[in-house]
Amino acid sequence: AQTVTQSQPEMSVQEAETVTLSCTYDTSESDYYLFWYKQPPSRQMILVIRQEAYKQQNATENRFSVNFQKAAKSFSLKISDSQLGDAAMYFCACDPIQGAQKLVFGQGTRLTINP
Amino acid sequence: NAGVTQTPKFQVLKTGQSMTLQCAQDMNHNSMYWYRQDPGMGLRLIYYSASEGTTDKGEVPNGYNVSRSTTEDFPLRLLSAAPSQTSVYFCASSSTGESNQPQHFGDGTRLSIL
Repeated sequence: AQTVTQSQPEMSVQEAETVTLSCTYDTSESDYYLFWYKQPPSRQMILVIRQEAYKQQNATENRFSVNFQKAAKSFSLKISDSQLGDAAMYFCACDPIQGAQKLVFGQGTRLTINP
Repeated sequence: NAGVTQTPKFQVLKTGQSMTLQCAQDMNHNSMYWYRQDPGMGLRLIYYSASEGTTDKGEVPNGYNVSRSTTEDFPLRLLSAAPSQTSVYFCASSSTGESNQPQHFGDGTRLSIL
């Protein structure tokens, strides 16, 4: 069984500043993916970034990067140079690399960008 | 470039009514999923299908039914609607097997049960 915990229900940041969203997880899988999804008010689920657990290198996508600590089962998302369009709910999720793909989501963090 | 299409976008039902939420994908993905999202919570898996003709229960399957008679379609049926099923429902699809690919989501259906 997998669990994903996001301990920050809400976060806020000034435009152009950097913010880090926290996520911890637990899984019995040996190989797995970790994800951050963004859900703006439009309700769409948008993939922000994906990390393969067997890779040591932290994933990056433009202004988005992760700090993946496998031993601590921690997977935080750093957003640099925050923009107004980054305002959304952010969900952390875990998924096995092979076999039945049962995404388990955290409770979400609502990110507000202050102009 | 449709991706995953869900219909309807909004629906209001009375307790005890039945209905089907439609989901179609045009990416030839083998796997499809239904999630529900309740306030203050992340998405929870209701049912999934790893291939045409197969379905499996997720975390919260009670009160729902699914079938997968084609690769493209994965309808979700509410058998007898209850107020506890008021939620936003998301359908998703992905290519899975040797290396699972990220799921693509539809825009969701907001369902209210009175």
